[in-house]
Amino acid sequence: AQSVTQLDSQVPVFEEAPVELRCNYSSSVSVYLFWYVQYPNQGLQLLLKYLSGSTLVKGINGFEAEFNKSQTSFHLRKPSVHISDTAEYFCAGYQGGSEKLVFGKGTKLTVNP
Amino acid sequence: EAGVAQSPRYKIIEKRQSVAFWCNPISGHATLYWYQQILGQGPKLLIQFQNNGVVDDSQLPKDRFSAERLKGVDSTLKIQPAKLEDSAVYLCASSFQGAGVYRNEQFFGPGTRLTVL
Repeated sequence: AQSVTQLDSQVPVFEEAPVELRCNYSSSVSVYLFWYVQYPNQGLQLLLKYLSGSTLVKGINGFEAEFNKSQTSFHLRKPSVHISDTAEYFCAGYQGGSEKLVFGKGTKLTVNP
Repeated sequence: EAGVAQSPRYKIIEKRQSVAFWCNPISGHATLYWYQQILGQGPKLLIQFQNNGVVDDSQLPKDRFSAERLKGVDSTLKIQPAKLEDSAVYLCASSFQGAGVYRNEQFFGPGTRLTVL
């Protein structure tokens, strides 16, 4: 069973619209959760992380995510997207009891003018 | 601060040939990771080093893949012989604190895109 599930493979949205990228994790994943962004032909860059404490986590570039233990979700949101946010976004978490970071399959966000 | 460096950025080889990738982590980072990212999927951990020792290589296809991290700094990942299904982006990452600390942020290099024909 997949440990981290990203429910949408592609999300098209218009510029300045809000966006939510969905991520669910299974019980095999610890509650240390991350969102990474990958621009074309580049490596991954950390957007934000949840380790403990407040369930609303703010990251770079105006992104935020909310950890919801009852729904086992860690959805990423931005109230108003820019063309430059076009990229692939990956949700990840540490596999329980290990140092292994497991990734979802990614969501390709396309922001159209 | 310089980021994680990888070379080459692109490589095209024929099946059954050999190939090697190089990674130089961020200075002072003890932990180094190699990931394989197949098109349309998230990165998958191949091997994790703590200094020059292997922490996890459970997903490394050891019949054809090998990796080393001499002197606990640079690392090389080799494939010999390559198969068509090895076509992927190979990402190197490093982190500051050692294995056992979940809060490490992993810093990724730009990757090497391998095409096997």
